Amino acid sequence: QSVLTQPPSLSGAPGQRVTISCTGSSSNIGSGYDVHWYRQLPGTAPKLLISANTNRPSGVPDRFSGSKSGTSASLAITGLQAEDEADYYCQSYDSGLHFWVFGGGTKLTVL
Amino acid sequence: QVQLVESGGGLVKPGGSLRLSCVASGFTFSNYYMSWMRQAPGKGLELVSYISNSSPYTNYAGSVKGRFTISRDNAKNSLYLQMNSLRAEDTAVYYCARVSGTIGPDNWFDPWGQGTLVTVSS
Repeated sequence: QSVLTQPPSLSGAPGQRVTISCTGSSSNIGSGYDVHWYRQLPGTAPKLLISANTNRPSGVPDRFSGSKSGTSASLAITGLQAEDEADYYCQSYDSGLHFWVFGGGTKLTVL
Repeated sequence: QVQLVESGGGLVKPGGSLRLSCVASGFTFSNYYMSWMRQAPGKGLELVSYISNSSPYTNYAGSVKGRFTISRDNAKNSLYLQMNSLRAEDTAVYYCARVSGTIGPDNWFDPWGQGTLVTVSS
């Protein structure tokens, strides 16, 4: 059971907009800690997608955007493309565990 | 470019030991905290351990505390994970990852190595 909760799967058609949620609690996201997002393409290592809630590292298309509010965060992907099919993970810090924690991951399928 | 390359994975019997290595290049290794992550087959990501850049501060996930030891050799740009008393549930791909910037709760992990598979089975 992950500390941060994500929907296990999501799907969308090419060109659509999808949103992946990441729900935490008062000991992590709700305490104001930043949320970061990673994308893991099949058979590869995770790669940073969004840092500090909203920041896109160099090379990440502006189709990807992050937001945070209260005890939750979201990753939005617009103009869905076939190559966006991957697993997406959120990450934050938990003050109760004194450790960084991940969401369980969301498998995004492009129909 | 910034690169992390892990090695040392393999098949080990329950109760056995294994030592993973991660060699870093493309950045000043001694300036960064470093970490080990793992991903069990078909499962999500888990932070296993992290180590400070120069002082010997370390921290471990509860699931490995007392069995795993993280260490580093800044002269060799290398990170290590000594895994003892291995269990079937330790079976996973193990990744090393750099901890971002100045240490604090808002850190992220970037980049990650390609991973090395550890299988614990009799």
